[in-house]
Amino acid sequence: GAVVSQHPSWVICKSGTSVKIECRSLDFQATTMFWYRQFPKQSLMLMATSNEGSKATYEQGVEKDKFLINHASLTLSTLTVTSAHPEDSSFYICSARPLGTGTEAFFGQGTRLTVV
Amino acid sequence: EDQVTQSPEALRLQEGESSSLNCSYTVSGLRGLFWYRQDPGKGPEFLFTLYSAGEEKEKERLKATLTKKESFLHITAPKPEDSATYLCAVQRTGTASKLTFGTGTRLQVTL
Repeated sequence: GAVVSQHPSWVICKSGTSVKIECRSLDFQATTMFWYRQFPKQSLMLMATSNEGSKATYEQGVEKDKFLINHASLTLSTLTVTSAHPEDSSFYICSARPLGTGTEAFFGQGTRLTVV
Repeated sequence: EDQVTQSPEALRLQEGESSSLNCSYTVSGLRGLFWYRQDPGKGPEFLFTLYSAGEEKEKERLKATLTKKESFLHITAPKPEDSATYLCAVQRTGTASKLTFGTGTRLQVTL
């Protein structure tokens, strides 16, 4: 149980284009999903917290117009990197917290984004 | 501001050589402390949640303990398949429950 699926696992895109990453909780409902960014040999940096049906809360320094988050249902959240540039290349990871719990969060397998 | 510091940064063990990883934390009201395992190019895999000082949890060769200032992840008789980065994170009470992560300990277990 508690499986979170993230798609795609990797993507290469041209500079200036947009990329959408999906995060799905497969066997549970999640009121809250989180999006992280991780640089090589560094820890996870929280980008934003999203709750189903409401606007995402972005961490300080994260451009909300560049990183669009939609949490349309209790099992799906998407992150769209708009007008991507090489500096947006990174490992993006989502996590989901099961409905009715306040603690454990389960992670997807991550998406490696490379902008060329 | 919540802070999580993990040590050592990297650890190399021989198979069967037990050791401990440290996670020191500062948080204004701990709701939970979490340990995750992360393999290269993968998302973190949940291991344990600890809620109060004195609590211990075990899973196979891993045992996690918690005090008011730090947590230890003890690895007993490790095997090469235990090689990974181990991440510690804290969750503060009264928040939207986001996690603050440490930078991790990269563990390599050799034959």
